[in-house]
Amino acid sequence: GAVVSQHPSRVICKSGTSVKIECRSLDFQATTMFWYRQFPKQSLMLMATSNEGSKATYEQGVEKDKFLINHASLTLSTLTVTSAHPEDSSFYICSAPDGGGGTDTQYFGPGTRLTVL
Amino acid sequence: AQSVTQLGSHVSVSEGALVLLRCNYSSSVPPYLFWYVQYPNQGLQLLLKYTSAATLVKGINGFEAEFKKSETSFHLTKPSAHMSDAAEYFCAVSSNTGNQFYFGTGTSLTVIP
Repeated sequence: GAVVSQHPSRVICKSGTSVKIECRSLDFQATTMFWYRQFPKQSLMLMATSNEGSKATYEQGVEKDKFLINHASLTLSTLTVTSAHPEDSSFYICSAPDGGGGTDTQYFGPGTRLTVL
Repeated sequence: AQSVTQLGSHVSVSEGALVLLRCNYSSSVPPYLFWYVQYPNQGLQLLLKYTSAATLVKGINGFEAEFKKSETSFHLTKPSAHMSDAAEYFCAVSSNTGNQFYFGTGTSLTVIP
């Protein structure tokens, strides 16, 4: 079946640095990908919709200048957390719909745990 | 606008007992509904989904859920709990299987031996 990968799976960085997280659809093309954030013991919150070849659409309250999204190809979307602070520490999960077969199926990546010191 | 509400952030059942996790939805369009399971430090695994076909949906690991439009509910059940069912369960709603999902707050299931 379709697979979505994320890299890295875990990252620790110093406050003030930027961190890039990659989301790849491994055997299908995705014109759209979604980025979610999950704080400890909480639910997943949609951050933004990544659109291949165009600007991402951000949910209300999500700073677009802080969470830069680039969907440069049909298999890759990147989320860059700029000038990270400890409050950005979270589990970041991406998903991508596979439009094959007539009905999209949403596939979730395994997540990236970001810890900002 | 779409949202889901999961009643009960923590549910404990004895091994072998019925599992019932509640989910109510709100949607201005016909909803697509999903249940996911998340084990510690792992991603999401799809248990089952409702996509406007049969209202009783059977999923993996013996779970099933029934879509009840009149009650705006999509509760998850399993007749007999196993220790391996202990995990976090999320209900989600979408306007399409390919669109963004909106998740409930999650229910942590504990299975008591």
